[in-house]
Amino acid sequence: DAGVIQSPRHEVTEMGQEVTLRCKPISGHNSLFWYRQTMMRGLELLIYFNNNVPIDDSGMPEDRFSAKMPNASFSTLKIQPSEPRDSAVYFCASSPPGTGGSPLHFGNGTRLTVT
Amino acid sequence: GQQVMQIPQYQHVQEGEDFTTYCNSSTTLSNIQWYKQRPGGHPVFLIQLVKSGEVKKQKRLTFQFGEAKKNSSLHITATQTTDVGTYFCAGPAGGTSYGKLTFGQGTILTVHP
Repeated sequence: DAGVIQSPRHEVTEMGQEVTLRCKPISGHNSLFWYRQTMMRGLELLIYFNNNVPIDDSGMPEDRFSAKMPNASFSTLKIQPSEPRDSAVYFCASSPPGTGGSPLHFGNGTRLTVT
Repeated sequence: GQQVMQIPQYQHVQEGEDFTTYCNSSTTLSNIQWYKQRPGGHPVFLIQLVKSGEVKKQKRLTFQFGEAKKNSSLHITATQTTDVGTYFCAGPAGGTSYGKLTFGQGTILTVHP
């Protein structure tokens, strides 16, 4: 199994530009999570999906952030317009069916730099 | 809401010394998970504890789950430079959480050779 696949690995963009991060979860996993990691705030859960349906987006910082999961094998996190304070590492993680007992499998992350 | 706190935030040790990180939850947990993140890497699942008072070992790592299921610890015996990284504990958010976890802020371990 290739694990959770994220792209791109690195993204450098200018303030105001649109950024799209992509994630392919592990086949058979039905929960998908988007996390943001910074030194100041640690690992923050932005949004998560179960069976492609958004369950909780209370962690999404503001309307500039949006996420979709059109099918079981693909999800996107979009920032429009991007701002320097969005600079962080964004992780996608997936987990198999289960209620609170399944470990998360993280992708390698996308390091976003907004100048 | 649920909070998961870890101490210490940083720990510097000499190679060969022991290391312990502690995790405390504001609510009772059905289970607790531990993850390790190497510098520049992503969190990797280490272990899950489910039972009250449970103790599990992985080579030099010993994990404990408190009797009240609100705290946990990770102890590393005789640290090596390969142990460098950030160690996170995480607990389920409760209710119908579909696998949602609340992570502690992590303990950053530095091992000096």
